[in-house]
Amino acid sequence: EPEVTQTPSHQVTQMGQEVILRCVPISNHLYFYWYRQILGQKVEFLVSFYNNEISEKSEIFDDQFSVERPDGSNFTLKIRSTKLEDSAMYFCASTEQEQETQYFGPGTRLLVL
Amino acid sequence: GQQVMQIPQYQHVQEGEDFTTYCNSSTTLSNIQWYKQRPGGHPVFLIQLVKSGEVKKQKRLTFQFGEAKKNSSLHITATQTTDVGTYFCAEITGYSSASKIIFGSGTRLSIRP
Repeated sequence: EPEVTQTPSHQVTQMGQEVILRCVPISNHLYFYWYRQILGQKVEFLVSFYNNEISEKSEIFDDQFSVERPDGSNFTLKIRSTKLEDSAMYFCASTEQEQETQYFGPGTRLLVL
Repeated sequence: GQQVMQIPQYQHVQEGEDFTTYCNSSTTLSNIQWYKQRPGGHPVFLIQLVKSGEVKKQKRLTFQFGEAKKNSSLHITATQTTDVGTYFCAEITGYSSASKIIFGSGTRLSIRP
């Protein structure tokens, strides 16, 4: 069964550094998402992406965040200058059609020191 | 902002006992989805309910959507150790070209063997 994959599985970085989290959505999917989950808390929506542009973003997704689909397979989340409070699990998700079930990747655990 | 609350926050049961988690919204939900997240894992879609009063079953799991579409429940009969995890209700919502998932606060289920 096709899966969403994410790399790296874990990332440790110093505060102020840039990080790029990578995702490979399921190949025929057209809608892409990033979510984050702070340890012990609920999963929170960050951004949705369709047709090479952001469709919607949450309050969390400020100017420090950006997303990109640099080629036909990867979907990336960049945090320009990480803060301690960015430490969380980041999940990528994708879906073939709008309003359909979203398939989540295994996540990248980001730790900012 | 839109919030979906779940109770209880934690539930610890003896294996074989039943378990129920409740999801409540202050606003009418267009749909309700349920996800399971194993410890250290990612959210996995379980089911979606759309119609008022809808009831669906998956083996030992029974899902209900309230008549007013403001609440939902997940009931597990005769829990097993494989049921351990956090159960989230969620609403898939959005407009324009992509949807997003608004997750509830989750109920963490632990089981005594």
